[in-house]
Amino acid sequence: AQRVTQPEKLLSVFKGAPVELKCNYSYSGSPELFWYVQYSRQRLQLLLRHISRESIKGFTADLNKGETSFHLKKPFAQEEDSAMYYCALFTGTASKLTFGTGTRLQVTL
Amino acid sequence: EPEVTQTPSHQVTQMGQEVILRCVPISNHLYFYWYRQILGQKVEFLVSFYNNEISEKSEIFDDQFSVERPDGSNFTLKIRSTKLEDSAMYFCASSVEGIRGYTFGSGTRLTVV
Repeated sequence: AQRVTQPEKLLSVFKGAPVELKCNYSYSGSPELFWYVQYSRQRLQLLLRHISRESIKGFTADLNKGETSFHLKKPFAQEEDSAMYYCALFTGTASKLTFGTGTRLQVTL
Repeated sequence: EPEVTQTPSHQVTQMGQEVILRCVPISNHLYFYWYRQILGQKVEFLVSFYNNEISEKSEIFDDQFSVERPDGSNFTLKIRSTKLEDSAMYFCASSVEGIRGYTFGSGTRLTVV
């Protein structure tokens, strides 16, 4: 069965500091991974997907199949980055997303 | 940008009552989903729906739950006899096909008292 693990419930950083939100996955098939962001209990918004390899709002994430990881990184945190971040694994058989437990990023001055 | 619309944004219901949560998916999307997020916990898959039938459902989606696409535009989640533990945020999502265009609604907060 597929699983997504986000080991940190809360990550607190200072503005301007680098950010790394950890995500590990377990899946027997070819993984398709995503990061979603949720601001103040609003809708889940797609932040980025590993296939596109793009950078959104300065965030990047690289899929490491050897370590089964998809960590989210940003070199310089901004106050507006404070939110809940969810790593998610897409499994095509049911077109469903399996989410991690989420990490709350808190950026302070 | 097209959106998935959910109504109501917040619903309070008494334990044992039936509740229907409504969603209007994006118009050209063919796949529809419901997810649940209990306060402070992760988002959990409930059910996927395609071609007027359930594609897959999780163990959470028991006989108390049902989904319907009654009129070609709405997609509903019905909980027949609500329990306190059904209190959660319920998110609807839709996609063109698979992950393509996968978009979430803003959610309905269900409170069972």
